Amino acid sequence: KQEVTQIPAALSVPEGENLVLNCSFTDSAIYNLQWFRQDPGKGLTSLLLIQSSQREQTSGRLNASLDKSSGRSTLYIAASQPGDSATYLCAVTHNTGNQFYFGTGTSLTVIP
Amino acid sequence: EAGVAQSPRYKIIEKRQSVAFWCNPISGHATLYWYQQILGQGPKLLIQFQNNGVVDDSQLPKDRFSAERLKGVDSTLKIQPAKLEDSAVYLCASSSTLVETQYFGPGTRLLVL
Repeated sequence: KQEVTQIPAALSVPEGENLVLNCSFTDSAIYNLQWFRQDPGKGLTSLLLIQSSQREQTSGRLNASLDKSSGRSTLYIAASQPGDSATYLCAVTHNTGNQFYFGTGTSLTVIP
Repeated sequence: EAGVAQSPRYKIIEKRQSVAFWCNPISGHATLYWYQQILGQGPKLLIQFQNNGVVDDSQLPKDRFSAERLKGVDSTLKIQPAKLEDSAVYLCASSSTLVETQYFGPGTRLLVL
């Protein structure tokens, strides 16, 4: 069974700092990997989706990388802002198209 | 484009009672997902529909949970009878196909006393 781990569980940084969130998965037979953002009391918002054949995706200040063979992905946030404070979750889709697994998330606090 | 709608937003029930949640996906999305998110954990997939057929329900506790998507659009998730450990946020999501980006609703927060 696929296991998805995110480290660290919580992170506090001062505003303006660049930061990296980590996601690791045990089964490399994935179709894609997604990074989501979850604000308290709200649903999830998709940030980036990386297909298994891709190495990275970028959107604004966010850059996600994927190393499928080593079972790792990183989410890089440049010039962090207080509005980036949220929980960040990664999720992998098994290559059959179903079997969707989430990590436990990293709670990010950006201090003004 | 309207997002995924869920109702109710909050529900408090006593153990052994029944409860039902409703989800309306984004128009045209063939795939619909129900997740359970316990406080401090990531969402766990309960059931996945492709149109009105079940793709995966391997993590659905079938002795008490049921879900349907009769016309391939709206879906309901039912718990009967509820247990204390069912207290969680129940999230619905939809996507255009099985492997595309999922769009999530705001969730239903359930508290079982």
